[in-house]
Amino acid sequence: AQSVSQHNHHVILSEAASLELGCNYSYGGTVNLFWYVQYPGQHLQLLLKYFSGDPLVKGIKGFEAEFIKSKFSFNLRKPSVQWSDTAEYFCAVNPSGTYKYIFGTGTRLKVLA
Amino acid sequence: GAVVSQHPSRVICKSGTSVKIECRSLDFQATTMFWYRQFPKQSLMLMATSNEGSKATYEQGVEKDKFLINHASLTLSTLTVTSAHPEDSSFYICSADAGRAGNQPQHFGDGTRLSIL
Repeated sequence: AQSVSQHNHHVILSEAASLELGCNYSYGGTVNLFWYVQYPGQHLQLLLKYFSGDPLVKGIKGFEAEFIKSKFSFNLRKPSVQWSDTAEYFCAVNPSGTYKYIFGTGTRLKVLA
Repeated sequence: GAVVSQHPSRVICKSGTSVKIECRSLDFQATTMFWYRQFPKQSLMLMATSNEGSKATYEQGVEKDKFLINHASLTLSTLTVTSAHPEDSSFYICSADAGRAGNQPQHFGDGTRLSIL
């Protein structure tokens, strides 16, 4: 079955620390990949997306993610986190040509000021 | 950017009542809308795909008679939880897609927290 794994459920970092959140998926075909962020009390917002081309994708607020096809991974990174990055982060996989999105269980990030 | 409005944001009601949740695309036409359910500390699970002018497509294990979906216009889809029971308590989120499958990210509503007493 198709699935998305986010191995880190809770992450606590100090400001200026570097961040990497893991995302692995199981699906053999072509996929589109997304990271969404949900700030406290707000709706899901798109952070970045990958459809094709350069596997290193840059998103908003200094986030980037790298698609490694051989590892079925799409890890999210940020070199220096801020207190305002405190939120829950969801990785999502969309099999190409379908509407279906498969979400990971989310990673709750807390950044200490 | 594209905005999806979901209403109400929170509902508390007695067991046995039916609850309707609305999902509207405010500044674009959404031929397809999606309904998700999220349990605490779990992922968003797709319940059904709502297509304007046709019947919704339900995911395996989702009772279509329990969760009635109506997508009557290009900007509105509704989810009605019929004869709700405590086990239906959850966070329901809708999203909308204006483009062809897979070429545009989905836009999400704020979600509705449903609590059945």
